[in-house]
Amino acid sequence: EIVLTQSPATLSLSPGERATLSCRASESVSRYLGWYQQKPGQAPRLLISETSNRATGIPARFSGSGSGTDFTLVISSLEPEDSAVYYCQQRSAWPSFGGGTKVEIK
Amino acid sequence: QVQLVESGGGVVQPGGSLRLSCVASGFKFSDSAMHWVRQSPGTGLEWLAHIRNDGTTQWYADSVLGRFTISRDNSKNTIDLQMDSLRPDDTAVYYCVKPIAAAGIRTYFDSWGLGTRVTVSS
Repeated sequence: EIVLTQSPATLSLSPGERATLSCRASESVSRYLGWYQQKPGQAPRLLISETSNRATGIPARFSGSGSGTDFTLVISSLEPEDSAVYYCQQRSAWPSFGGGTKVEIK
Repeated sequence: QVQLVESGGGVVQPGGSLRLSCVASGFKFSDSAMHWVRQSPGTGLEWLAHIRNDGTTQWYADSVLGRFTISRDNSKNTIDLQMDSLRPDDTAVYYCVKPIAAAGIRTYFDSWGLGTRVTVSS
């Protein structure tokens, strides 16, 4: 099983600031890495697939990068509605998810 | 618009059984594999099971292999998850999810239901 480790656990930033979230895989997943956003009381929503492909309707302030074992999700300028928990997921093997990073807006 | 609606959750004693159902709409159900994913405070998000579009192939996570069974009825646009020998660590919200790719197990999930909560406790 491929283990995904996300950091930091919590990120507390002000509107307009840049958020950088990390996801590290226990072995190479090539570029088969996606990101989800989950708000309280809601199901996860797919943001990005294959490292950097934004899903339909996802704003351009969300971007992904990386390859192999190290990946990054950047929210370039935080909006209040970006307050959520963000999860990474790999599809190089049977799907597995990271433990999440909570983004708080001050 | 894709809609997935789960039902069947509840409180069950350890060792008991529960059957979850999911009704799908808004896409060509018979063309798509389907999956179940669960989420608990302790384990986080965990992929559980996959069923091929025609129902002929199923795959399971090790944590539920031999205890859970996924099935589907393409005439009713439904998938089920039969859960037997339930344990306290099966306590979670269970999601029916549609994969971004119609076939295969190695995929992302672009549509999720609201989930149904299962609590295993005496």
